[in-house]
Amino acid sequence: QQQVKQSPQSLIVQKGGISIINCAYENTAFDYFPWYQQFPGKGPALLIAIRPDVSEKKEGRFTISFNKSAKQFSLHIMDSQPGDSATYFCAASRSTRYSTLTFGKGTMLLVSP
Amino acid sequence: KAGVTQTPRYLIKTRGQQVTLSCSPISGHRSVSWYQQTPGQGLQFLFEYFSETQRNKGNFPGRFSGRQFSNSRSEMNVSTLELGDSALYLCASSLLGDSGDRGYTFGSGTRLTVV
Repeated sequence: QQQVKQSPQSLIVQKGGISIINCAYENTAFDYFPWYQQFPGKGPALLIAIRPDVSEKKEGRFTISFNKSAKQFSLHIMDSQPGDSATYFCAASRSTRYSTLTFGKGTMLLVSP
Repeated sequence: KAGVTQTPRYLIKTRGQQVTLSCSPISGHRSVSWYQQTPGQGLQFLFEYFSETQRNKGNFPGRFSGRQFSNSRSEMNVSTLELGDSALYLCASSLLGDSGDRGYTFGSGTRLTVV
């Protein structure tokens, strides 16, 4: 059972455009929602994270929008740059000790120059 | 400070063999988690260790096992390798194992190929 569904699988955006990646979760006990960025040959790195008590969090060009009632959250990358080309994973977990991260299957983003 | 170190970076093994992967967490981090990454299934949780004790386990067969040493370094072992075990195995360390801001730091992984 896939508890975090991510779309699209791949995305091509022109430089300067907005990249949008969506995720939906099923487990209402989840209360921590991070996004990870992974470059080829590297492990995932935490990009930005949100908790359900806020509907939006912005860090630089990266914004998470969170809709608790719909059980959905999304990553927006403003002014996308070629250096943003990577695979992005959404994830979810509970804020309890030894809880695990459940990942979406990833989105390969290509930002064309 | 040094990041999470995984060794070896690449491995090629034959079906039926066993393999041991190593992970050295960030200094001071006591929790180590292991994930398997494949193109089809994405990132799947294997197990988590804290203070040398397995605290959580994912849905993998018993051929997958792990341990953690007193210095927090961790190893995972896969016995009787199958072709489907080919994957990138990622280790992540965190300070206390709680999901707080989930201070997971991932290593670059070990790429295992089973032939």
